[in-house]
Amino acid sequence: AQSVSQHNHHVILSEAASLELGCNYSYGGTVNLFWYVQYPGQHLQLLLKYFSGDPLVKGIKGFEAEFIKSKFSFNLRKPSVQWSDTAEYFCAVNVYTGRRALTFGSGTRLQVQP
Amino acid sequence: DAGVIQSPRHEVTEMGQEVTLRCKPISGHDYLFWYRQTMMRGLELLIYFNNNVPIDDSGMPEDRFSAKMPNASFSTLKIQPSEPRDSAVYFCASSLFVQNTEAFFGQGTRLTVV
Repeated sequence: AQSVSQHNHHVILSEAASLELGCNYSYGGTVNLFWYVQYPGQHLQLLLKYFSGDPLVKGIKGFEAEFIKSKFSFNLRKPSVQWSDTAEYFCAVNVYTGRRALTFGSGTRLQVQP
Repeated sequence: DAGVIQSPRHEVTEMGQEVTLRCKPISGHDYLFWYRQTMMRGLELLIYFNNNVPIDDSGMPEDRFSAKMPNASFSTLKIQPSEPRDSAVYFCASSLFVQNTEAFFGQGTRLTVV
C-alpha cells in the first residue's frame, strides 16, 4: 500500500519569505500526486496535481511543485508567501491503476506572519 | 455546478444516539469517498464507492459505522451508537472515473458527540 510522509508539521514564515514543503511517497508503481490546501474552517481545495509529463507543475496562487521520481518526492514551493497563505497543506497520492482513493500525508500547518 | 454538498454542516449529539451524515456528489462523478479528519489521525479514508458499489470499506473503524449509496446522487454515513471518540470532521468527496483527475471535497460535517 502507498504512504505519504510530510516532514514539516508546522512552519512559520514572514511575508515575502520563500516556502518549500516536503512530501515523500512510498510506492513502486506509477502514481498521481496532489497538493491540497485547507484554509481555517474550510474544506480541502486542490492546489496542483501531477499525472505525467513535465515534472514541474504550476498551480493556483503562485504555487508550484516538482516531481522527482528518483527521490519519490513532490515538494511544494512558492517564492514569496503572503499572509493569506496561512493554511494547512496536504500532499496526497493515488495509484495510477488500482485503488483510486487518495492517501494523504499528515499535513503541514503554515503560519505566515505579517 | 454546486460542488459536493454535505449536510448538516454541524452536528452535536449525545453519546449513544444515532447520527446520519449526508452527501450529494457532483453530478456525473463515478466515485464517492468518505474521509474523517481528526487532530490525532489526520485525514483517514473510511470507505469509497464506485458506481454506487462499495469498493473498499477497510477504513471503517467499527461495526457502529455504516455507509450506503442508494443512487448516484446520494450517500449516507451512519454512526449507531455514537461515542465521544467519533467527534471529528467528516468529509465527502467525489471524482470522475478517468485516471487523471482529482477528487473534489465537500465542506464537511463537524460532528461533536458529548
